[in-house]
Amino acid sequence: EIVMTQSPATLSVSPGERATLSCRASQSVSSNLAWYQQKPGQAPRLLIYGASTRATGIPARFSGSGSGTEFTLTISSLQSEDFAVYYCQQYNNWWTFGQGTKVEIK
Amino acid sequence: EVQLVESGGGLVKPGGSLRLSCAASGFTFSSYSMNWVRQAPGKGLEWVSSISSSSSYIYYADSVKGRFTISRDNAKNSLYLQMNSLRAEDTAVYYCARDEENWGQGTLVTVSS
Repeated sequence: EIVMTQSPATLSVSPGERATLSCRASQSVSSNLAWYQQKPGQAPRLLIYGASTRATGIPARFSGSGSGTEFTLTISSLQSEDFAVYYCQQYNNWWTFGQGTKVEIK
Repeated sequence: EVQLVESGGGLVKPGGSLRLSCAASGFTFSSYSMNWVRQAPGKGLEWVSSISSSSSYIYYADSVKGRFTISRDNAKNSLYLQMNSLRAEDTAVYYCARDEENWGQGTLVTVSS
């Protein structure tokens, strides 16, 4: 089983600031990595797939990078609607999710 | 437009059974593998099971192996999850997902006496 580890667990950021979220895989997943945003009571929303490709309708302030075992999601300038929980997911060998990073208002 | 609608959730006693359904529309269901993912209250996402388009390949998370059975009926555009020997730790919202982009809204399963 591929284990996905996200850091930090909680990130406190002021609106307008940059947020950087990390995700590490226990073995290489190539670029088969997705990022999701989830708000309370809602299903996860796909932000990034293929490690760096924005999904349809996702603003350009969201960007993804990395390959192999180390990945990063960057939100360049946090908007009020971006405060949520973010998950990474590998789909190289079925699916595994990270434990999530909560982005909260500082 | 892809639509996935889960149903069948509810309250069940430990040791009981429940069958979840996922009705799919807006795409050629028989051409896609399908997945179940769950989320316990206040917790993260956990992949549960996947089934290939023709049901030839089926995979389960270790946490549900031997208790849950995934199946599909391509003629009815439907995905199922038969859950037996339910435990309190199976309490979660269960999502049906076609792929990374297309998820249903989930159905809540509560296992409690």
